[in-house]
Amino acid sequence: EPEVTQTPSHQVTQMGQEVILRCVPISNHLYFYWYRQILGQKVEFLVSFYNNEISEKSEIFDDQFSVERPDGSNFTLKIRSTKLEDSAMYFCASSPDGGTTNEKLFFGSGTQLSVL
Amino acid sequence: AQSVAQPEDQVNVAEGNPLTVKCTYSVSGNPYLFWYVQYPNRGLQFLLKYITGDNLVKGSYGFEAEFNKSQTSFHLKKPSALVSDSALYFCAVRDFYNTDKLIFGTGTRLQVFP
Repeated sequence: EPEVTQTPSHQVTQMGQEVILRCVPISNHLYFYWYRQILGQKVEFLVSFYNNEISEKSEIFDDQFSVERPDGSNFTLKIRSTKLEDSAMYFCASSPDGGTTNEKLFFGSGTQLSVL
Repeated sequence: AQSVAQPEDQVNVAEGNPLTVKCTYSVSGNPYLFWYVQYPNRGLQFLLKYITGDNLVKGSYGFEAEFNKSQTSFHLKKPSALVSDSALYFCAVRDFYNTDKLIFGTGTRLQVFP
């Protein structure tokens, strides 16, 4: 079965540094998402992306965050100036459909981001 | 506001016994309800969903879940647990009309002992 792949699996960075988390969604999917899970807490929605623009974002997704689909295959999450509280597991997901017809997401295995 | 509660951090069950992983939800509109499973070093995998219709839905690997509107619950069940079912299970809800995002619970770790 096709999979969503995420790189790197672990990322360690210093507070204030920029990080880019990378994802390769399933090739015929059109809707893309980032979720994150802080240790011991809920998996939280960050952003959804369709047709080269953000379709929905949460309060967490402030000006420090951005997403991009630079080349038609990769889907990236950039954090401009990392904070300690950004330490979390970041999950990328994709779906062949979205909006009210979205019935199933396909998730990657996550990138564990540690901000020191 | 939408929310999901999974009251148990861990559920332990002996192989061959039935298992239940509990989930309750709160949503303002019509709920889409989901169960996802995460095995070690893997992403979340879709197990099953409730959209409409029969309250008992069947999913992958012999799992099923029962939608109970009056109790706002969507408990995951399996008649006979396997050691290989040991994993982290997430319940999630989506407000059908208003949003594309999933609201997840904190997850329940299922441990099946031989």
